[in-house]
Amino acid sequence: NAGVTQTPKFQVLKTGQSMTLQCAQDMNHEYMSWYRQDPGMGLRLIHYSVGAGITDQGEVPNGYNVSRSTTEDFPLRLLSAAPSQTSVYFCASSARGGQGYEQYFGPGTRLTVT
Amino acid sequence: SQQGEEDPQALSIQEGENATMNCSYKTSINNLQWYRQNSGRGLVHLILIRSNEREKHSGRLRVTLDTSKKSSSLLITASRAADTASYFCATDSGGYQKVTFGTGTKLQVIP
Repeated sequence: NAGVTQTPKFQVLKTGQSMTLQCAQDMNHEYMSWYRQDPGMGLRLIHYSVGAGITDQGEVPNGYNVSRSTTEDFPLRLLSAAPSQTSVYFCASSARGGQGYEQYFGPGTRLTVT
Repeated sequence: SQQGEEDPQALSIQEGENATMNCSYKTSINNLQWYRQNSGRGLVHLILIRSNEREKHSGRLRVTLDTSKKSSSLLITASRAADTASYFCATDSGGYQKVTFGTGTKLQVIP
């Protein structure tokens, strides 16, 4: 199993450009999330999904869109990039049930907006 | 908003010593997890402790949970250079969307 994969690894955008960060998992997990990680701030939840066709906002959703048409894929779209969106973005997935929501993380996408 | 806050922010120890890091949180939780993040990589799950558990072990890791003080500690015994990483606690206060991560402790183990 590849686990959770993310592309690209690095990206530089100009202010106002749009792009999509890709995330895929091959573990048949129902739950998926997007986080951003900024120095000294831990991970903050952007959007999450509890199943195909179901998405919802997290703590910091402004400027981002998501969709979940399949169990495997959960892309994150930046609508009009701003310097404040410079960050490292992580996608994570988790199985329903069990003892808790143990999350499996992708390797991250480092985004710089100039 | 961050539910968990780790302490200390950074820790430097010699190989073979024990490392202890703490996590404090604000509201009641269902469980608490600890994750490790190596530089430039994603987080990796280490251990989960439920709210009705007080202590849990996994290899060289020992986690304690004190719900009355709303705090947890992660002890890494006989540390190795490969343990150099950032460590995060994550609290589940009810539902997948309510898992929140702390700001992390950066551990350096000097060979």
